[in-house]
Amino acid sequence: NAGVTQTPKFRVLKTGQSMTLLCAQDMNHEYMYWYRQDPGMGLRLIHYSVGEGTTAKGEVPDGYNVSRLKKQNFLLGLESAAPSQTSVYFCASSYGLATNEKLFFGSGTQLSVL
Amino acid sequence: AQTVTQSQPEMSVQEAETVTLSCTYDTSESDYYLFWYKQPPSRQMILVIRQEAYKQQNATENRFSVNFQKAAKSFSLKISDSQLGDAAMYFCAYRSDLISGGGADGLTFGKGTHLIIQP
Repeated sequence: NAGVTQTPKFRVLKTGQSMTLLCAQDMNHEYMYWYRQDPGMGLRLIHYSVGEGTTAKGEVPDGYNVSRLKKQNFLLGLESAAPSQTSVYFCASSYGLATNEKLFFGSGTQLSVL
Repeated sequence: AQTVTQSQPEMSVQEAETVTLSCTYDTSESDYYLFWYKQPPSRQMILVIRQEAYKQQNATENRFSVNFQKAAKSFSLKISDSQLGDAAMYFCAYRSDLISGGGADGLTFGKGTHLIIQP
């Protein structure tokens, strides 16, 4: 089982460049999430989705956009990258309204913005 | 909004000894879940243990156990017989109960505790 797959694993951008991070899950999960992890800050929620075609803002959404056109994919976009967006990005997914509340995480994307 | 606080940025323990990592949280909800995640240098987030708030019995997974004090809003992790492979960042996390309508926004994490195992 692949679980949650993130691509790419590493990326270096110049300030002002754009890019898209892809998250794919093969567990038929309803809920998907994008977190960023910064030293000393834990993981903070950027955006999330409770189903295909839906998205919602999390704690730190500014500078990011997301799309959930297919149930299995959740894309995170940076339209104009800034050095403050240098971070490790994690995608996660979970079942929806069910008794299983566990989040499944991808292996992370290290993004550096110069 | 819920908050999770881990007051120990770093802890050190001798191999084979026992260590306890602290976590407190703030919520007005009565039904929720609490988790401890381990993040080794590989970056992978690994679920260590979870606790349902409605259960009075503390969760246990092999060498890992929790002390869940609901009234005090405390959720500490005890690691017994520490091993070198336990060295990692440990994150405490909270999730609202999905059935009652919350929890769609995933987990709220603490800032983490860096656990060092001394050989």
